[in-house]
Amino acid sequence: DIQMTQSPSTLSAFVGDRVTITCRASQSISRWLAWYQQKPGKAPKLLIYKASSLESGVPSRFSGSGSGTEFTLTISSLQSDDFATYYCQQYNSFSITFGQGTRLEIK
Amino acid sequence: EVQLVESGGGLVQPGRSLRLSCIASGFTFGDYAMSWVRQAPGKGLEWVSFIRSEPYGGTTQYAASVKGRFTISRDDSKSIVYLQMNSLKTEDTAVYYCTRVNSDGSCYSYWGQGTLVTVSS
Repeated sequence: DIQMTQSPSTLSAFVGDRVTITCRASQSISRWLAWYQQKPGKAPKLLIYKASSLESGVPSRFSGSGSGTEFTLTISSLQSDDFATYYCQQYNSFSITFGQGTRLEIK
Repeated sequence: EVQLVESGGGLVQPGRSLRLSCIASGFTFGDYAMSWVRQAPGKGLEWVSFIRSEPYGGTTQYAASVKGRFTISRDDSKSIVYLQMNSLKTEDTAVYYCTRVNSDGSCYSYWGQGTLVTVSS
């Protein structure tokens, strides 16, 4: 199975900061990567698919980039609503795995 | 509006069975693959199972951790996807989410609210 490693595991930031979360795949997944946001007690929400495509209704401050084995999720200016846990997820020949998650906390 | 509503969770003893259901609405159910994803308490997300739409054969896939114990199925006439879980283990304890797979099969556009399965004696 393809392993997905996110860094950092926890990130503390201020409202208004620009933050970046990294996700690395154990082998190339082309651009088959998605990002989700999850708040406590809620289901995950799709933010980005195919590495850089913004899901409908998701604010433009969220962006994704990368291909192959290294990917990033960037939030250009943190809002209070963005403090949550973020997961990457890969798809490759019908193998699906998630990263372990990055908890984004208010500083 | 797309809605996915899971049911069937609860407390069950190790070795017993449970069947989860997910009723879908707001879209043409038969056009989409469906999947189950779970999350153990305080842990990350784990893909469990997947079923293609009937035009693509309705074929299924399972995570290694549940293969041979869990069975996914669908009833397009009722817009329901099921997860039959047999020989349950304590490590199957989790919130189980029903998801609608994106058109390209690569990710999950819509999620239900989840149903909690607790496997304990």
